[in-house]
Amino acid sequence: DQQVKQNSPSLSVQEGRISILNCDYTNSMFDYFLWYKKYPAEGPTFLISISSIKDKNEDGRFTVFLNKSAKHLSLHIVPSQPGDSAVYFCAASALGNQFYFGTGTSLTVIP
Amino acid sequence: ETGVTQTPRHLVMGMTNKKSLKCEQHLGHNAMYWYKQSAKKPLELMFVYNFKEQTENNSVPSRFSPECPNSSHLFLHLHTLQPEDSALYLCASSQATPNYGYTFGSGTRLTVV
Repeated sequence: DQQVKQNSPSLSVQEGRISILNCDYTNSMFDYFLWYKKYPAEGPTFLISISSIKDKNEDGRFTVFLNKSAKHLSLHIVPSQPGDSAVYFCAASALGNQFYFGTGTSLTVIP
Repeated sequence: ETGVTQTPRHLVMGMTNKKSLKCEQHLGHNAMYWYKQSAKKPLELMFVYNFKEQTENNSVPSRFSPECPNSSHLFLHLHTLQPEDSALYLCASSQATPNYGYTFGSGTRLTVV
């Protein structure tokens, strides 16, 4: 049973607009969440994290929102740039243990 | 060299071959992982090593055999694989506990013919 789900396999956005990537989870024990970005032929690289004691974390153009009651998190990229085109994975863990990953969302930013 | 390094980047092997994937990390981490990424599937955790000791084996077939001689090196020995084992194999490292996230290598793209 998949504990972390990314229901949108792909997303296309115009350059300069906002990209919103969504992630849902089922395990209420999850208390730490990550977003990774992956280019083709490369390993995933860490993008941004959020702890369950927060509902928002911002780093430059990237903001992650956490809604614990809905077991939902989202990644906002504003403004989107062509270099942001990649596959984005969300991941969740409980109590500092292993991370569970979603299936990824492929983002295409159209110039 | 820094980060997590995986070799080879690409590997094509026959079903009767024996090959090994190598992973090396220079981050001072004490946990290392093998993940499998197949198309349209989540990253699948295969093996976990904490302080050189295997702490998790997620029901991985015995044709995959991990080895962790020290906390900086991790191998995945492959033998008599099946075509469905073709995938991207990712190595990652982290602090053991608490784990605040992984640093991944670039992966080995494996094709079994």
